[in-house]
Amino acid sequence: NAGVTQTPKFRVLKTGQSMTLLCAQDMNHEYMYWYRQDPGMGLRLIHYSVGEGTTAKGEVPDGYNVSRLKKQNFLLGLESAAPSQTSVYFCASSYPIYEQYFGPGTRLTVT
Amino acid sequence: DAKTTQPPSMDCAEGRAANLPCNHSTISGNEYVYWYRQIHSQGPQYIIHGLKNNETNEMASLIITEDRKSSTLILPHATLRDTAVYYCIAGASGGSNYKLTFGKGTLLTVNP
Repeated sequence: NAGVTQTPKFRVLKTGQSMTLLCAQDMNHEYMYWYRQDPGMGLRLIHYSVGEGTTAKGEVPDGYNVSRLKKQNFLLGLESAAPSQTSVYFCASSYPIYEQYFGPGTRLTVT
Repeated sequence: DAKTTQPPSMDCAEGRAANLPCNHSTISGNEYVYWYRQIHSQGPQYIIHGLKNNETNEMASLIITEDRKSSTLILPHATLRDTAVYYCIAGASGGSNYKLTFGKGTLLTVNP
């Protein structure tokens, strides 16, 4: 099992560009999550999903959109990137919720 | 989720037990205590969780006080690879709650 994988691992964007981060899990988990982590900070929840076709807002959803068209995939989109979105993005999946499995992270820089 | 308070940093000698405290004085009856850790640059890793009884697994032990207002994560024989940020989280499991709130955690440094 690969667990949770994230694509890409690194990306540099210019302000105003768009991109999609892909998260894939092969554990048949119902729940999936997107977090961001800034230097010296804990993880902050962006959006999450409790099942295929469902999404919900987390703590810091502004500037991001998500989709969960397939159970194993959870996509995070940035429509118009801003320097404030420079961060490390982690995806996680779980069932039940307490044992979340995290991916390796995507390091995004917006210039 | 109940607020948790952890010291920002702790040191431990290699081979000794590491005892990481967490205060969660506003925890409610249906909220569990979860512990995760994050080794530098990696995604967080689940360690253990409990409701009111002490718990032990292959990684650690969790001691929860009788009034459930605080807990301690114990790594019985710390190694250099245990150097990480440790997060204590209090939250409900199931029902309408599907998420955990991560704070800033405790940076545990294991010294040779």
